[in-house]
Amino acid sequence: AQSVSQHNHHVILSEAASLELGCNYSYGGTVNLFWYVQYPGQHLQLLLKYFSGDPLVKGIKGFEAEFIKSKFSFNLRKPSVQWSDTAEYFCAVNTWGGSQGNLIFGKGTKLSVKP
Amino acid sequence: DGGITQSPKYLFRKEGQNVTLSCEQNLNHDAMYWYRQDPGQGLRLIYYSQIVNDFQKGDIAEGYSVSREKKESFPLTVTSAQKNPTAFYLCASSMEGTSGNTEAFFGQGTRLTVV
Repeated sequence: AQSVSQHNHHVILSEAASLELGCNYSYGGTVNLFWYVQYPGQHLQLLLKYFSGDPLVKGIKGFEAEFIKSKFSFNLRKPSVQWSDTAEYFCAVNTWGGSQGNLIFGKGTKLSVKP
Repeated sequence: DGGITQSPKYLFRKEGQNVTLSCEQNLNHDAMYWYRQDPGQGLRLIYYSQIVNDFQKGDIAEGYSVSREKKESFPLTVTSAQKNPTAFYLCASSMEGTSGNTEAFFGQGTRLTVV
């Protein structure tokens, strides 16, 4: 069965620090990859997505992620975090042409940014 | 204003009672999903539907039931058979189900508490 692993449960950073959140998935076929963010009290929203093409994708609010197929990874990065980036971040995968309508999520990483 | 509407936002249920959570979308999306979100567990798929009058079980379907009589609507019933129903429930939709290069859009969620 497909699965998604997020390496960190809770990350605490100071403002202006760099961020990298790890995401690995287990599936040998073609995948679509997503990072979603959930700000406190708000609904889940898409941060960025990878379907095909350039493996380095840029999303909203200065976030980017790199798809490394050989490592089954899709890590999220931001050079300099802000207090407003405090949120929970979810990596998600869906598999092309799968028999199930599956969008599989990781367990999430809570990011706390200290002002 | 296009989007996904979940109601109610908060719901209290007595043990042994069934309760139905509403999810409506006006995005003309074919696929709809129900997830359960628990702290530290990420999002787990309960049921999904790729098309009207069809739905499939997700990873944790036991104790839940759904219907998809209309494209816009995908209500979830939490039955008395669900042993641990207190959770945050998220509804989502996407343009296509399995193999589409489309992202999922989420509602605001319903927090169900069993008292």
